[in-house]
Amino acid sequence: DAGITQSPRHKVTETGTPVTLRCHQTENHRYMYWYRQDPGHGLRLIHYSYGVKDTDKGEVSDGYSVSRSKTEDFLLTLESATSSQTSVYFCAIRAGKGVKFDTFGSGTRLTVV
Amino acid sequence: TQLLEQSPQFLSIQEGENLTVYCNSSSVFSSLQWYRQEPGEGPVLLVTVVTGGEVKKLKRLTFQFGDARKDSSLHITAAQPGDTGLYLCAGAVGTGNQFYFGTGTSLTVIP
Repeated sequence: DAGITQSPRHKVTETGTPVTLRCHQTENHRYMYWYRQDPGHGLRLIHYSYGVKDTDKGEVSDGYSVSRSKTEDFLLTLESATSSQTSVYFCAIRAGKGVKFDTFGSGTRLTVV
Repeated sequence: TQLLEQSPQFLSIQEGENLTVYCNSSSVFSSLQWYRQEPGEGPVLLVTVVTGGEVKKLKRLTFQFGDARKDSSLHITAAQPGDTGLYLCAGAVGTGNQFYFGTGTSLTVIP
């Protein structure tokens, strides 16, 4: 998607290892979000950021941490990956002026074996 | 339990038929959005509804926000194969910065 890049697009990792997913935006938007998508659950909010170094938890934050040291980058870390964290992870950005997301990334498919 | 429940979860219909997807909650939302998602891609915004009772139309799609701002519906008239996809509702709660998504409705339109 234009203005937002997620990396990697696919990753397979072993249980117990740390994993970091990256979301990079070129839109200079204030708000950035991490969601996970699983069948039957839609998208569930993990963490979001409302500015550099300003973050807050979502509904499924256990086992995840985030960091935002620059406006353009929002990192999601699985501290010790578990099989229940196998999912597709989406990043989204919002300027804050409206009530909608401006853009979603294309997703990162993470498999924990 | 999720804040927003969608029904049905799966829908398979013939081209030309009409359908309605529902998004329900016990919470009040300041706004609700509807997104469509295709395989391997992120959701794409279709519409935002803000006022209770509001109705918005987007070609063959009609969106309605409940009077109490707790529910919404998406009606598609004369469905086409190009309408196939996952439809998601989403709403903002609290400070308005936390957005919660519904459970999703997977629509397949058969030619």
